[in-house]
Amino acid sequence: AQSVTQPDIHITVSEGASLELRCNYSYGATPYLFWYVQSPGQGLQLLLKYFSGDTLVQGIKGFEAEFKRSQSSFNLRKPSVHWSDAAEYFCAVGQTGANNLFFGTGTRLTVIP
Amino acid sequence: ETGVTQSPTHLIKTRGQQVTLRCSSQSGHNTVSWYQQALGQGPQFIFQYYREEENGRGNFPPRFSGLQFPNYSSELNVNALELDDSALYLCASSFDTYARYNEQFFGPGTRLTVL
Repeated sequence: AQSVTQPDIHITVSEGASLELRCNYSYGATPYLFWYVQSPGQGLQLLLKYFSGDTLVQGIKGFEAEFKRSQSSFNLRKPSVHWSDAAEYFCAVGQTGANNLFFGTGTRLTVIP
Repeated sequence: ETGVTQSPTHLIKTRGQQVTLRCSSQSGHNTVSWYQQALGQGPQFIFQYYREEENGRGNFPPRFSGLQFPNYSSELNVNALELDDSALYLCASSFDTYARYNEQFFGPGTRLTVL
């Protein structure tokens, strides 16, 4: 069965600092992997996705993520965080042959000036 | 291009009542998925509709039911509401075939409170 673990419930970083949000997944085959962001009272916005190919994926808003099969990880990174990046971040996995997503419990990012 | 819209934005019901939530899919999309997001949790898949037929269901009881209409909009119905049904309900649309996985576009959600 698919599962997604986001071990960090809450992360606080200073504006301008680098960021890495962790995501580990469990899935038997090659997964489809996603990172979404959710601002308070809003729906989910896709930051980036991995289907196949290059394991370093570039997304919107300066985010990137790296797929590491050996570690079953898909960590999200940003070199310099902006105050507007404060939000909830969700990692999700999709399965071949179906289109539903399995989400982690999310990581809340706080950005301090 | 209009994105995914949901109505109502907020809803308050009492235990035992029934509720209907609505979702208009993005133009050109033929698939709608519904997710439940409890407070402090990630979204959980309820079910998906593809061309008006249920196309997959998560671990939710039968009192959660849905419909998809010819214009690909969708309804989520919940009967016999329980306190634990209080959550943000998210609708996502996509253009899907079985040949590939396509991005799901999410609406802003409906916040349901059950008292």
